[in-house]
Amino acid sequence: DGGITQSPKYLFRKEGQNVTLSCEQNLNHDAMYWYRQDPGQGLRLIYYSQIVNDFQKGDIAEGYSVSREKKESFPLTVTSAQKNPTAFYLCASSLSLADTQYFGPGTRLTVL
Amino acid sequence: KNEVEQSPQNLTAQEGEFITINCSYSVGISALHWLQQHPGGGIVSLFMLSSGKKKHGRLIATINIQEKHSSLHITASHPRDSAVYICAVPQNTGNQFYFGTGTSLTVIP
Repeated sequence: DGGITQSPKYLFRKEGQNVTLSCEQNLNHDAMYWYRQDPGQGLRLIYYSQIVNDFQKGDIAEGYSVSREKKESFPLTVTSAQKNPTAFYLCASSLSLADTQYFGPGTRLTVL
Repeated sequence: KNEVEQSPQNLTAQEGEFITINCSYSVGISALHWLQQHPGGGIVSLFMLSSGKKKHGRLIATINIQEKHSSLHITASHPRDSAVYICAVPQNTGNQFYFGTGTSLTVIP
């Protein structure tokens, strides 16, 4: 049963704490992405990775970090440097860049 | 400046109505994507098209490359079609997408 999973679905953290969001896919996709979605706004790209051990900044990378040590996994860390971390975070993967993307269910992060 | 513009922003329809959502873009593209975001937040890809028309069930997507315009049609709309529909086009580098802000559709029984 192939797909892309994110965990947890809801996450609460205190201000000033780093938090890591999980994204795993078993679709054998090379490309993976992290997006942020805020109410009334379109998806905004945080980071993307074209291949293992390589990743590039998107439009709003400040305050975030990623790693791509395995093809299946692309975790996102929201650091304390991110000024407004409360948002809905979506992970996606595709066979190659600009191909059809498959999205995970998302993680709703609330920083208290 | 938004490279992708969608209209309308919000749409309410009675069950059974024919629905049209529009997407205009300002960049040259190889293909355009239509996505559906369910109320719970999950997103699924509906279509990727580079010319003409594609149909899947009650959904039809058309694109006019010369006019830089695409439409998503839903025939015989149903309350389960209620969702946000998002248009996306790849940037010229091919590495990222431009996303529209979405059209929120509510179908009333």
